[in-house]
Amino acid sequence: LAKTTQPISMDSYEGQEVNITCSHNNIATNDYITWYQQFPSQGPRFIIQGYKTKVTNEVASLFIPADRKSSTLSLPRVSLSDTAVYYCLVGPLFSGGYNKLIFGAGTRLAVHP
Amino acid sequence: NAGVTQTPKFRVLKTGQSMTLLCAQDMNHEYMYWYRQDPGMGLRLIHYSVGEGTTAKGEVPDGYNVSRLKKQNFLLGLESAAPSQTSVYFCASSLDGTGAPKAYGYTFGSGTRLTVV
Repeated sequence: LAKTTQPISMDSYEGQEVNITCSHNNIATNDYITWYQQFPSQGPRFIIQGYKTKVTNEVASLFIPADRKSSTLSLPRVSLSDTAVYYCLVGPLFSGGYNKLIFGAGTRLAVHP
Repeated sequence: NAGVTQTPKFRVLKTGQSMTLLCAQDMNHEYMYWYRQDPGMGLRLIHYSVGEGTTAKGEVPDGYNVSRLKKQNFLLGLESAAPSQTSVYFCASSLDGTGAPKAYGYTFGSGTRLTVV
């Protein structure tokens, strides 16, 4: 499975756009990119998933360049409630391989008033 | 509400005691997982199951056993608890790889905070 690298922590202020970048240089052809969000004392929550170009849902956008060696999670106009840990995961969609998903330490986002 | 339910939410054990953590999901998911999360770290996979009656080892299986007698339940057992097993335990479930577009998405429970003294 492709290894991912993301910043350990980030700080932002309410109303700003936050972009968290994840590097995955060894991504395989059949790998998808998935982001999870974890609030304190809760389990991670699925945010968004993509394969290439741009994906947008009601929570976030995911930008994936043509070479797919990195991806950027974009959170528009963050609020205090977006303070959480964000995990980037890379793995195949239709394979038993995803039963070995590796959650790294993630990126701790702190949103300030 | 549909989802993953873990019981208990908190537990304190003495070294050497045993206990079972219960995970129940009502989404008819095929795959279920047990993770542990230590302070400041990501989640590490303990054991997982790809269907009723099956179990397999993850990254850190030592000291734990699991059973999946019913599709909706996944039990994690500690036969002889040790202080190193103090952690927050998360259960998750997902569809297998042949289903909906979110087949890769996991649904997590809210966790069990276990302290071994």
